[in-house]
Amino acid sequence: DQQVKQNSPSLSVQEGRISILNCDYTNSMFDYFLWYKKYPAEGPTFLISISSIKDKNEDGRFTVFLNKSAKHLSLHIVPSQPGDSAVYFCAASEGAQKLVFGQGTRLTINP
Amino acid sequence: DAGVIQSPRHEVTEMGQEVTLRCKPISGHDYLFWYRQTMMRGLELLIYFNNNVPIDDSGMPEDRFSAKMPNASFSTLKIQPSEPRDSAVYFCASSRPPPWGDTQYFGPGTRLTVL
Repeated sequence: DQQVKQNSPSLSVQEGRISILNCDYTNSMFDYFLWYKKYPAEGPTFLISISSIKDKNEDGRFTVFLNKSAKHLSLHIVPSQPGDSAVYFCAASEGAQKLVFGQGTRLTINP
Repeated sequence: DAGVIQSPRHEVTEMGQEVTLRCKPISGHDYLFWYRQTMMRGLELLIYFNNNVPIDDSGMPEDRFSAKMPNASFSTLKIQPSEPRDSAVYFCASSRPPPWGDTQYFGPGTRLTVL
């Protein structure tokens, strides 16, 4: 049973435009959400997180939005740059317990 | 800091053989995690340790999988006997205490191919 789902395996965006990556979850007890970024032949690295008490968190070009009623979060990257090309994983946890990851979305930024 | 170290980086073996993956966590991190990445299921947590003690092994697929952490600087994940469906990338990660997210550091992974 996949509690965290990323329904788009891949996404292609033009450089300079906005990239929007989506993630849905089923467990209403999740209270902490994260995005990780992964380059080929490397392990995932933490990108940005959000607590369930917030609906938005920004860090430079990256913004995460949380819609608790829809059990949906999204990552916005503005403007997109070639170095943003990577696989992005959404993850969630309940009360600082173990992280549950999605399947990942491969983002490609085209020049 | 050298980061989380995993070995080997690539492993190719035949069905039925024993496979041992190794991990050295970041010094001072109390928590160690083993994950498996597949196309269909993404990153799955297999097991995690706190202070060398296994806390949650509910993600371990079956009895063919076992993990140990004999000391704070070393852990192994063993598959015996291996099967083709075990082919995946296995990651080790370590962290200080919760909250997990921004303190969980991943190694580069071991790509396992079982023929």
